[in-house]
Amino acid sequence: DGGITQSPKYLFRKEGQNVTLSCEQNLNHDAMYWYRQDPGQGLRLIYYSQIVNDFQKGDIAEGYSVSREKKESFPLTVTSAQKNPTAFYLCASSKLPDRVMNTEAFFGQGTRLTVV
Amino acid sequence: GQQLNQSPQSMFIQEGEDVSMNCTSSSIFNTWLWYKQDPGEGPVLLIALYKAGELTSNGRLTAQFGITRKDSFLNISASIPSDVGIYFCAGQFRETSGSRLTFGEGTQLTVNP
Repeated sequence: DGGITQSPKYLFRKEGQNVTLSCEQNLNHDAMYWYRQDPGQGLRLIYYSQIVNDFQKGDIAEGYSVSREKKESFPLTVTSAQKNPTAFYLCASSKLPDRVMNTEAFFGQGTRLTVV
Repeated sequence: GQQLNQSPQSMFIQEGEDVSMNCTSSSIFNTWLWYKQDPGEGPVLLIALYKAGELTSNGRLTAQFGITRKDSFLNISASIPSDVGIYFCAGQFRETSGSRLTFGEGTQLTVNP
C-alpha cells in the first residue's frame, strides 16, 4: 500500500535528550514536511524539503533539525534546545505544484512525543 | 506571512443537522484543501479545490473555492456521529510559497446522537 509511515506512534524521552522521529513515504513525492500540533491548536510548520539534500525552515524551526538524504525519508530530530518539545508531530508529503499537477499533501499517522 | 482565519472554532450539533464552516485569507490562494482529523490520527484529505468559483462534492460534503480567491467554505449535510473530529482548511499560493500550505486553526465538530 502506498502511503506515509511515521514511527514510533508514541515516544517518551527524558528532558535534555535528543530524539529522532522517522518519516518514510513510498508515494514518489518530491516534497516532505514536518508539522507540530499542540492540544486544541492548528498545525505549525517546522521544516520542509522540496528536493533531496535541500530543506527550508518553517515557522517554528528553532530547536529542531532535519535531513533529506533520500527522497523517501525525512527524519526530524528534536534537540535539547527545544524548550517545550512535548507535542504531536505530523509528517506529510506532496508532489511539487505546477500549472497542471495537483498538490494535495498527505499525512502520516503522527508521533506523540512526551518529554519527562 | 499569510493569515488564515477559520470559523467557527467549535460547533455542537444534533445528528441530522447540516453544518457550515469557512476560512478567509488575508491574500489570495490558488489551491484550497479541506482535511478532517480524528483524535490521535493524522489529517485526512476530504476535498481539493483548484479554481476560483469551483464547487465540489464528496458524498455529504460540499466545498467551494471563493470567487475572490480569499475564502472557502465546507458544508456537511445530514450530520452523523462519525462526522465528529477537527476540520482544517489549508491554502496554497504556489507562485510565492511553492508547495507550502497555510493551515487554519481548525473547527472542532461535536455531533450529539
